[in-house]
Amino acid sequence: EAEVAQSPRYKITEKSQAVAFWCDPISGHATLYWYRQILGQGPELLVQFQDESVVDDSQLPKDRFSAERLKGVDSTLKIQPAELGDSAMYLCASGPFDRVTGELFFGEGSRLTVL
Amino acid sequence: AQTVTQSQPEMSVQEAETVTLSCTYDTSESDYYLFWYKQPPSRQMILVIRQEAYKQQNATENRFSVNFQKAAKSFSLKISDSQLGDAAMYFCAYRGGNYGGSQGNLIFGKGTKLSVKP
Repeated sequence: EAEVAQSPRYKITEKSQAVAFWCDPISGHATLYWYRQILGQGPELLVQFQDESVVDDSQLPKDRFSAERLKGVDSTLKIQPAELGDSAMYLCASGPFDRVTGELFFGEGSRLTVL
Repeated sequence: AQTVTQSQPEMSVQEAETVTLSCTYDTSESDYYLFWYKQPPSRQMILVIRQEAYKQQNATENRFSVNFQKAAKSFSLKISDSQLGDAAMYFCAYRGGNYGGSQGNLIFGKGTKLSVKP
């Protein structure tokens, strides 16, 4: 069964360092999302892609966060420099661009701890 | 803007019993999807059940069913014959029916932590 792949699963870094997360969506899925989930809360959207184009990055802290999906397939989310408040789970999700199910498929997430 | 509210931070149920998780939402759209996702500890989020707003019939998936009250903007999840494996965080989520632009995004509630007692 096809799955959304994310790496690394866990990342510990010191504040002011750079970190990067990678996501490989399910093959053929045009839409890709990065969410941030603080412990004990629901995920919140950081950025949404349609193919290689950014559809919504209104909640992305652009002074330190960047995201790209250059060929419309896999995606990278970068934080530079990391701050203590960035400690969270970063979830990637993908979905087909159709109305059949409306479902998004999630990866296992990348848990970031900033010391 | 659309919002999703889950008013029960934690719930507990005895194994084999039934439990209902509550969710309310706010939207001005007429076409949308509602979801319940399950997130076990340290595991990926998986879909439990889905409801299309234009369907009046409540969705059912095995032991999971929903009570969708469109006028009241309420979307509760009922788990029957609860099992130990049902223990997890449950998130109610909303997605607009127009996938163009930011309306394709999932909007989540804060979640309900379900414990199942043997």
